Amino acid sequence: ETGVTQTPRHLVMGMTNKKSLKCEQHLGHNAMYWYKQSAKKPLELMFVYSLEERVENNSVPSRFSPECPNSSHLFLHLHTLQPEDSALYLCASSQEAGKGSQYNQPQHFGDGTRLSIL
Amino acid sequence: SQQGEEDPQALSIQEGENATMNCSYKTSINNLQWYRQNSGRGLVHLILIRSNEREKHSGRLRVTLDTSKKSSSLLITASRAADTASYFCATGSSNDYKLSFGAGTTVTVRA
Repeated sequence: ETGVTQTPRHLVMGMTNKKSLKCEQHLGHNAMYWYKQSAKKPLELMFVYSLEERVENNSVPSRFSPECPNSSHLFLHLHTLQPEDSALYLCASSQEAGKGSQYNQPQHFGDGTRLSIL
Repeated sequence: SQQGEEDPQALSIQEGENATMNCSYKTSINNLQWYRQNSGRGLVHLILIRSNEREKHSGRLRVTLDTSKKSSSLLITASRAADTASYFCATGSSNDYKLSFGAGTTVTVRA
């Protein structure tokens, strides 16, 4: 069971297409995250949003564009992707996000979007 | 940069046996968390241990933390086929918004 829902679950797109990934959390959390998971590699944090404000952009190429219209929804807009962008994209949420010992809280993950770039 | 590193990379055990995996990290932390990921699913939070704690239990899970050695272990007792999954450690620090994840240990429990 999950309080974080991601759609679509699978996406195949060409390098010139534009598509969007959607994430919705039903947990009342204030922080949301995008991660990229590639085979045999640690999770790569892409973006962090706290109260709808982007607080971290982890050197992600501009072909990935996040949007957080409210604290329950997070989008990842994709355009002109490369084959190496094929991966599992995971969304997560936590109660809060910030720097300090009171943060670093457990994160709740969706089941991801499996993205394949042709 | 990668903070946590799990060891071993893969582990295969018989149902009913115990499974132990380790996590080492490099810098000071606020807490260390363990997550499970079943094939084709997202990560599920298992347990969080704070830097001032040494051991924590949750059901069949036991986590230890040794901050002097910058290492943690996750023990799954009396394993079941449903425990087959990848297990990740993640560290949180005061200087960062993010959790830093390792590459994971893949556990296979044979019936």
